[in-house]
Amino acid sequence: EIVMTQSPATLSVSPGERATLSCRASQSVSSNLAWYQQKPGQAPRLLIYGASTRATGIPARFSGSGSGTEFTLTISSLQSEDFAVYYCQQYNNWPPKYTFGQGTKLEIK
Amino acid sequence: EVQLVESGGGLVKPGGSLRLSCAASGFTFSSYSMNWVRQAPGKGLEWVSSISSSSSYIYYADSVKGRFTISRDNAKNSLYLQMNSLRAEDTAVYYCARPTVTTYAFDIWGQGTMVTVSS
Repeated sequence: EIVMTQSPATLSVSPGERATLSCRASQSVSSNLAWYQQKPGQAPRLLIYGASTRATGIPARFSGSGSGTEFTLTISSLQSEDFAVYYCQQYNNWPPKYTFGQGTKLEIK
Repeated sequence: EVQLVESGGGLVKPGGSLRLSCAASGFTFSSYSMNWVRQAPGKGLEWVSSISSSSSYIYYADSVKGRFTISRDNAKNSLYLQMNSLRAEDTAVYYCARPTVTTYAFDIWGQGTMVTVSS
């Protein structure tokens, strides 16, 4: 099983500042990596797929980078609505054994 | 509007069974593989099962293999999860999720249905 490890567990950032979230895979997942945002009581929302492609309707302040085992989600200028939990997910396996990271909670500083 | 709506959750005793449903609308359901993903209270996301568009290929997480069965009815635009031999650790919100056209990232999620396994 591919283990996804996110860091940090909690990130405190002020509105308007940049946030950088990390995700590491235990083995290469190529670019088969997605990022999700989840707010309390809501389903996850796809932000990024293919490691760097923004999903439909996602603002340009969200960007993804990386390949292989190291990935980054960057939010360039935090808005109040961006404070949430973020998950990475790999979908590289075949047959599928999709795995998620444990999440990073982005909180207001 | 593209939409997934889950139903069928509830309280069940350990060892019991439950069948979840997911009704799809706003897209050609029969063209997509579909998935179940769960989230235990206060915990992260866990992929549970996948089924191909024609039901030819079915996959499960090791944690549910042999106890859960995924199925679909393309004529009814519906996805199902039959859960047997339920355990306390199966307690979670269960989401159905659709992948994107070109990848296995999940771009459409239902609102989730809560399953509680407790005596």
